[in-house]
Amino acid sequence: EVQLQESGPGLVKPSQSLSLTCSVTGYSITSNYWGWIRKFPGNKMEWMGYISYSGSTSYNPSLKSRISITRDTSKNQFFLQLNSVTTEDTATYYCAREAPADYWGQGVMVTVSS
Amino acid sequence: DVVMTQTPVSLPVSLGGQASISCRSSQSLVHSNGNTYLHWYLQKPGQSPQLLIYRVSNRFSGVPDRFSGSGSGTDFTLKISRVEPEDLGDYYCLQSTHFPRTFGGGTKLELK
Repeated sequence: EVQLQESGPGLVKPSQSLSLTCSVTGYSITSNYWGWIRKFPGNKMEWMGYISYSGSTSYNPSLKSRISITRDTSKNQFFLQLNSVTTEDTATYYCAREAPADYWGQGVMVTVSS
Repeated sequence: DVVMTQTPVSLPVSLGGQASISCRSSQSLVHSNGNTYLHWYLQKPGQSPQLLIYRVSNRFSGVPDRFSGSGSGTDFTLKISRVEPEDLGDYYCLQSTHFPRTFGGGTKLELK
């Protein structure tokens, strides 16, 4: 069974970087696409981007140059880095197997606050 | 970006009853390859979203046939018949025809 699990700090200071890890079991990340999606307080959902089986990436233009998704195939993990965070980046962050997102992690709540 | 408009925002239902959720897109979701990439999710309280329907009308593995999706172009509907307690939660549509993928604003299915 495909399982995903996010991990990372729950609190990040404004202007710093948010870094999350998604650990995948039951399926190789060298197949399919692997994405990050977030849900804001108030329930709006935003697709952030993905990394493909080959390592290519695609990002939501709304995040401009702040986002980076990378991977470690030896550990079957992929990563999210979001730079220069503000309070508007406070959300629950999910990793998921794309496309469409059929298997999701349980989510990690990240608060941006000083 | 393609704007996905979901209605209603809140939908009170009775157990055993039927529910219908609409999702309309600001432009056609028919891809150049002929497929329509419109999907439906349910997020139950305290859980992560789960895929119900992919590409308009295909039920994901394990999804009961009480759930059905339909529509074309810019107008799509999710219907739930014989509503059960485990169906309550937030429903979202998602389009992945156009870049970037965009979600609807959500519909809360709750008990009357």
